[in-house]
Amino acid sequence: DQQVKQNSPSLSVQEGRISILNCDYTNSMFDYFLWYKKYPAEGPTFLISISSIKDKNEDGRFTVFLNKSAKHLSLHIVPSQPGDSAVYFCAASARSGGGADGLTFGKGTHLIIQP
Amino acid sequence: DAMVIQNPRYQVTQFGKPVTLSCSQTLNHNVMYWYQQKSSQAPKLLFHYYDKDFNNEADTPDNFQSRRPNTSFCFLDIRSPGLGDAAMYLCATSNIWDTQYFGPGTRLTVL
Repeated sequence: DQQVKQNSPSLSVQEGRISILNCDYTNSMFDYFLWYKKYPAEGPTFLISISSIKDKNEDGRFTVFLNKSAKHLSLHIVPSQPGDSAVYFCAASARSGGGADGLTFGKGTHLIIQP
Repeated sequence: DAMVIQNPRYQVTQFGKPVTLSCSQTLNHNVMYWYQQKSSQAPKLLFHYYDKDFNNEADTPDNFQSRRPNTSFCFLDIRSPGLGDAAMYLCATSNIWDTQYFGPGTRLTVL
């Protein structure tokens, strides 16, 4: 039972355009969401996060939007650059449960930026 | 540079032969995690340590054990690896409720 779903295994976008990566979740206890970027042969690198008390968080070219009622979040990259080509993982946690908590990941979306 | 280090990067073992994967950190984080990622799958949490407190996920097989002798080091022991245990093993660290930082992973092959 996948609690975090990334339904697009891959996405191809032209350089300079907007990349939109989507993520859906089913567990209503999740209250903190993160995006990680992963290059081949490297570990995931933290990109951006959002708490459930917000609906938007921005960091440079990266913006994450959260729609709690739809249990949906998206990552926007504007403008897309060749170095953005990587696998992007959506992850979630239920921080309000107390203690340290692991992350529940989606399967990832492979973003390919075309020149 | 502060970082999470995993050794070895690639590990080959034989079916049933015990293997130990290592993770160390210079971030002084109090939580360390082990994830398993099989090909084209989501990383899956196996267990984590909050300081010396060990927390096992309910569906982590008994074949997987972990040790954390001090703040900096954490080990993943696979007592009798099966073919289905071939995967990328990712170590991550964080301060409690803070962002998790990942190491480069160890790719385990079981022959």
